[in-house]
Amino acid sequence: GAVVSQHPSWVICKSGTSVKIECRSLDFQATTMFWYRQFPKQSLMLMATSNEGSKATYEQGVEKDKFLINHASLTLSTLTVTSAHPEDSSFYICSASASSYEQYFGPGTRLTVT
Amino acid sequence: QKEVEQNSGPLSVPEGAIASLNCTYSDRVSQSFFWYRQYSGKSPELIMSIYSNGDKEDGRFTAQLNKASQYVSLLIRDSQPSDSATYLCAVGTGTASKLTFGTGTRLQVTL
Repeated sequence: GAVVSQHPSWVICKSGTSVKIECRSLDFQATTMFWYRQFPKQSLMLMATSNEGSKATYEQGVEKDKFLINHASLTLSTLTVTSAHPEDSSFYICSASASSYEQYFGPGTRLTVT
Repeated sequence: QKEVEQNSGPLSVPEGAIASLNCTYSDRVSQSFFWYRQYSGKSPELIMSIYSNGDKEDGRFTAQLNKASQYVSLLIRDSQPSDSATYLCAVGTGTASKLTFGTGTRLQVTL
């Protein structure tokens, strides 16, 4: 149980374009989903917390207009990186939580912006 | 500022030995404590959760929590080369709450 998927697993895009990443909880309803970013050899950095049907809460320093998060259902959240630049290249990971303490992570999406 | 501290390592242990990983946290109202394992290039995988003082065992893994000392640890018995990974300590304050992660301890199990 507690399986979270992400799509795509990797993506290469050109500078200035937008990229959408999907996060799905496959066998449970996720009341809350979290989006993280991880640069090489660094720890996870929380970007935002999203609850189904409401606006995401962004961490300090994360541009909400650049990283658009939609949590339209209890099993799906999306992160759209708008006007991507090379410095946005990173490993983006979502996690999902039901009404419990545990968070389960998706496999991650590796974004490369050229 | 909530903080979770871990020794970055690498912690090197021989195959078959016990690996001991430690973590301290600053927020006294923390209620939930987790250990995640992360292989290079992969996302974190939840391996242990603990919520009350004492020990919790699951197979070769034992998590220990001491809230008075604000200390949580993970013991891995009979360490295997496949245990070589970065172990992340994470602390939360309630249900579906955001977690504060440590920077991770890199474990190397040598043959």
